[in-house]
Amino acid sequence: AQSVTQLDSHVSVSEGTPVLLRCNYSSSYSPSLFWYVQHPNKGLQLLLKYTSAATLVKGINGFEAEFKKSETSFHLTKPSAHMSDAAEYFCVVLGSTGKLIFGQGTTLQVKP
Amino acid sequence: NAGVTQTPKFRVLKTGQSMTLLCAQDMNHEYMYWYRQDPGMGLRLIHYSVGEGTTAKGEVPDGYNVSRLKKQNFLLGLESAAPSQTSVYFCASTTYRFPEAFFGQGTRLTVV
Repeated sequence: AQSVTQLDSHVSVSEGTPVLLRCNYSSSYSPSLFWYVQHPNKGLQLLLKYTSAATLVKGINGFEAEFKKSETSFHLTKPSAHMSDAAEYFCVVLGSTGKLIFGQGTTLQVKP
Repeated sequence: NAGVTQTPKFRVLKTGQSMTLLCAQDMNHEYMYWYRQDPGMGLRLIHYSVGEGTTAKGEVPDGYNVSRLKKQNFLLGLESAAPSQTSVYFCASTTYRFPEAFFGQGTRLTVV
């Protein structure tokens, strides 16, 4: 069965320090994986996507993620957090059946 | 290019009333989805469709029905609304060959 697990419901970092948001997935086939961000009372914005090309994926606003098949992980990182990064982040998997499944989300808090 | 359009954007229903939410996309995407978003629970898949005339159940299908009579439209119906269906509903579409999910602006539904 296809599923995605975000390992932290809440992450708090200081401005200027690295960000790590963890995501593990389960899929029978090589999936497409995404990270989306949602600011309060806003819609969903694509940060980056993995679609079986390069395993290290660079996205917008300095975010990147690495696809690790052996660990079934797709963790999101950023070298230096900015106050504007405070938001809800979702890891999403698209399997071969067409099902698009969201993780439960990670709230990123950035402290000044 | 409108992308994904949801109507209506806001709605208040009384318990037991019915309504239909419309999702329209102009990108010729095969896959379409309906989600509900509740605080702390991420986006949960209600129903999805991998092509015109086909639909499938997602994670939380009870109390909802869907139809995909035309490729560009995906309708979500509530036959007898309940307060537990108070939520924000998002529609999305994508294509498997070039996967990137595009989302509507959301529909805020309140059932009283």
